[in-house]
Amino acid sequence: QSALTQPAYVSGFPGQPITISCTGTSNDIGGSNYVSWYQHVSGKAPKLIIYDVNNRPSGVSDRFSGSKSGSTASLTISGLQAEDEGDYYCCSYATSVNFDWVFGGGTKLTVL
Amino acid sequence: VQLVESGGGEVQPGKSLRLSCAASEFSFSASPMHWVRQAPGKGLQWVAFTSYDGTTESYADSVKGRFTVSKDSSRNTLYLQMSSLRPEDTAVYYCASGSLEWSYFVRWGQGTLVTVSS
Repeated sequence: QSALTQPAYVSGFPGQPITISCTGTSNDIGGSNYVSWYQHVSGKAPKLIIYDVNNRPSGVSDRFSGSKSGSTASLTISGLQAEDEGDYYCCSYATSVNFDWVFGGGTKLTVL
Repeated sequence: VQLVESGGGEVQPGKSLRLSCAASEFSFSASPMHWVRQAPGKGLQWVAFTSYDGTTESYADSVKGRFTVSKDSSRNTLYLQMSSLRPEDTAVYYCASGSLEWSYFVRWGQGTLVTVSS
């Protein structure tokens, strides 16, 4: 499975919204509702922020939301805060051939 | 939920290494588990999966036949046996608990660094 495609960098000012896209194919994102997103701050454990396209785990701010259209998933952060800085990864779970989890290349978010 | 990886270090190409992941404060015996790695300067890459009872395993093509994942619920510990190591296996290795539906990674450890170099 090839990696999903994400923009390498995204930035925004505090209080602004940003969206990170994640593009796959009909074999992964386009073929299932199993898209998840992770926040990774260097030196820390990655953290689940969205699962199954648009579900938020308890304890995750409602400023984070997810969506999907066709083979592209999106993560939106409304009202950017300095603590949101870090790397964001999408992931798709595919069962078409084998059990397989494919990540995007990651997006570095900078809060200006 | 706590996941603590150990066993990383520097190893020569072609050698073997076993990573461990000690789990606490959740139902390890009922959880699917994964290994995910991050090479220097690169993104996350899924490596291996085991179902809660160990009856189903899956591996990334890049490690198939060289890595073996196992789960000892009596010790609340996940393992990754790595053999025939290559320089491209150099990475921080994370263990992660899986969702009951297998679709996402619920909790992650802080990782252990494996360096394959002569």
